[in-house]
Amino acid sequence: AQTVTQSQPEMSVQEAETVTLSCTYDTSESNYYLFWYKQPPSRQMILVIRQEAYKQQNATENRFSVNFQKAAKSFSLKISDSQLGDTAMYFCAFIPYSISNFGNEKLTFGTGTRLTIIP
Amino acid sequence: DAGITQSPRYKITETGRQVTLMCHQTWSHSYMFWYRQDLGHGLRLIYYSAAADITDKGEVPDGYVVSRSKTENFPLTLESATRSQTSVYFCASSERSGGAGEQYFGPGTRLTVT
Repeated sequence: AQTVTQSQPEMSVQEAETVTLSCTYDTSESNYYLFWYKQPPSRQMILVIRQEAYKQQNATENRFSVNFQKAAKSFSLKISDSQLGDTAMYFCAFIPYSISNFGNEKLTFGTGTRLTIIP
Repeated sequence: DAGITQSPRYKITETGRQVTLMCHQTWSHSYMFWYRQDLGHGLRLIYYSAAADITDKGEVPDGYVVSRSKTENFPLTLESATRSQTSVYFCASSERSGGAGEQYFGPGTRLTVT
C-alpha cells in the first residue's frame, strides 16, 4: 500500500516571497505519478502540477515547480512570487502507473498543508 | 453546462435515513470516483468505477453503495446514515486510467448527519 505524508499542517508566507511545501511518499512501485492539488476556500479541487516518476526533469507550471527526488521519495512544491490567490489547502497525491490493470487507479492523498499568503 | 456536477451541495439528514448523493459528468469519461474529505485524513477513496456496470471498493467503502448504469452518472448511497459519515464528499472523473488521466473534481457535497 502507498502512503503520502505532508509534515507541515500549516504555513504562511508574505506576498511575493517563495514558499516550499514538502511531501514524502512510500511505495514499492517503480512507475507512478505524483500530483499537487490546490483547494481554495471555494472547496474546488484544482490540479496544480503533475510529475511522472520515469521523467527525471522536474515539472514546472508558471510560478509552480517541483523538486522530485525519486531515491528519497520526496516531492516538494515550490511557489515563487506568491500571490494572495495562492491561499489554499495543498494536497500531495500519488497514483501507480497503470495501462489496463483495473484496481490500481487509486489516488492516495496526503493530509494537506494549509498555506496562507499574508498581504 | 459541461463539466462535473454534484447535487445536492449541502444536505442535513438524520441518523438511520437513506441518502443519495448525485454525480453527473458531461465528458463521457470512463472512470469515476467518490472520495470523502475529513480533517486530518485528506481525501479517501470510497468507491470507483472504470465503466458502466463496473465498480469496485476503495479505502473506506463500508456503509456506502454505488451504481453506474449510465456512463455519465455515478450516484453514492448511504443506506443508513451514521454520524461518522458526516463529511464533504467529492466526485471525480477521468478519461484514462492511472496517472495518465487527470482526475477532474466536482464542487463537493457537505453532508451532515444529526
